[in-house]
Parts: sequence; structure tokens; C-alpha cells
Amino acid sequence: EPEVTQTPSHQVTQMGQEVILRCVPISNHLYFYWYRQILGQKVEFLVSFYNNEISEKSEIFDDQFSVERPDGSNFTLKIRSTKLEDSAMYFCASREIIQYFGAGTRLSVL
Amino acid sequence: EDQVTQSPEALRLQEGESSSLNCSYTVSGLRGLFWYRQDPGKGPEFLFTLYSAGEEKEKERLKATLTKKESFLHITAPKPEDSATYLCAVQAIGTGGFKTIFGAGTRLFVKA
Repeated sequence: EPEVTQTPSHQVTQMGQEVILRCVPISNHLYFYWYRQILGQKVEFLVSFYNNEISEKSEIFDDQFSVERPDGSNFTLKIRSTKLEDSAMYFCASREIIQYFGAGTRLSVL
Repeated sequence: EDQVTQSPEALRLQEGESSSLNCSYTVSGLRGLFWYRQDPGKGPEFLFTLYSAGEEKEKERLKATLTKKESFLHITAPKPEDSATYLCAVQAIGTGGFKTIFGAGTRLFVKA
């Protein structure tokens, strides 16, 4: 069964460092998403991406965040200068009709 | 303000004890309502999509229903393996497209 793949499963970084979280969406999907879930809190929408551009973003997705689909298969989320409060699980999702989620990347900012 | 509220926060059932989880929502321009299951340390797993009031979907021991203001996830004769967090999400019209808003989830514990 096709699945959304995220790497790494756990990323530890120092405050102020840049991180790139990677996702390989399901191959025939056209819509891509990033969400985050702070420990014990609800899943929060960050950004949606379609046709090589952002179609919607939340208030959380500020100038420190960017997304890219560099090569037609990967979909990345970059955080330019990480803060302690960026520590969370980050989920990538893709859809044709139904939205499928990856297993997530746990980001720990020290 | 768009909002999704799930209740109860946690639910403890005995195996075989049927119950319902509630998701109430206030959004402008509802496009769809989704139910997901989330196991600890994993991503949400899709269960159902509902698009219009009166719609019902079923899968094994789960049945989802939708009204104009809320959705219910009915669990019939649950088993311990149904223990998980059940998430409700709505897709609504945003400023540039569609946005998905999640509720905080209901943690279900089913005891053998």
C-alpha cells in the first residue's frame, strides 16, 4: 500500500540552527500539507501546497518557515532559525481525494 | 472564528460497551469533515470523510454520522485494539484555498 514517508524520524538541533524536514508524498497525489503537533496538544495546520505554490498557510507559518518541492518527488519544510517552541511532531500529508499522513518527524530544539 | 470541539476528552470503556464520541464545529464554508485514528507516536490514520448533513459511513465497529453542527463517531462493541485517540477535522474555506482544522481528540481506552 502506498504511503507518505518522512525523514528523519527524530531530529535534534540547537536553537538558532536551520532544519529541513523531508517528505516523500504518495506518487500520484497533487496536494501536499505540513502539520505540527506539540506534545499533548492538537494537530495544527501549517501550510498546503499545490501546483508548485503555497495555496494556504496558517498564522504559525511565518517567515521562518518555507516549503519546497525541489525535484518532483520530495516535499520539504525548512525552519530557518529554530526556537525552543518549534519542538513538536511535524506531519506531512498528501492527497488525491483522501488525505494520508506520514509517521512524522519529532523535532527537538535544545 | 472557526472552531472544532471534541468531547469527551477521554473515554474509558469495557470491552463490548458501545458508546459515541462527539465533534461539534463552527466553521464558515464547510467542505468536509474527517475522522482519523491516531496511535501514540504515529501520524493520523484516515477513517471517514463526511460531506453533507445526514450522511453516514461505516467501517467494522465504527459508524460516523454528520449533522449541520456536529458529527458522532459511534463505536459498537469495542475491543482493546480500538484504544487510540480519535481526531475530528473539518476542511473549510480559507483566504487562499482550503484549511483543515483539527479538534483536540478523544482518547479512548478499552479494557478487556
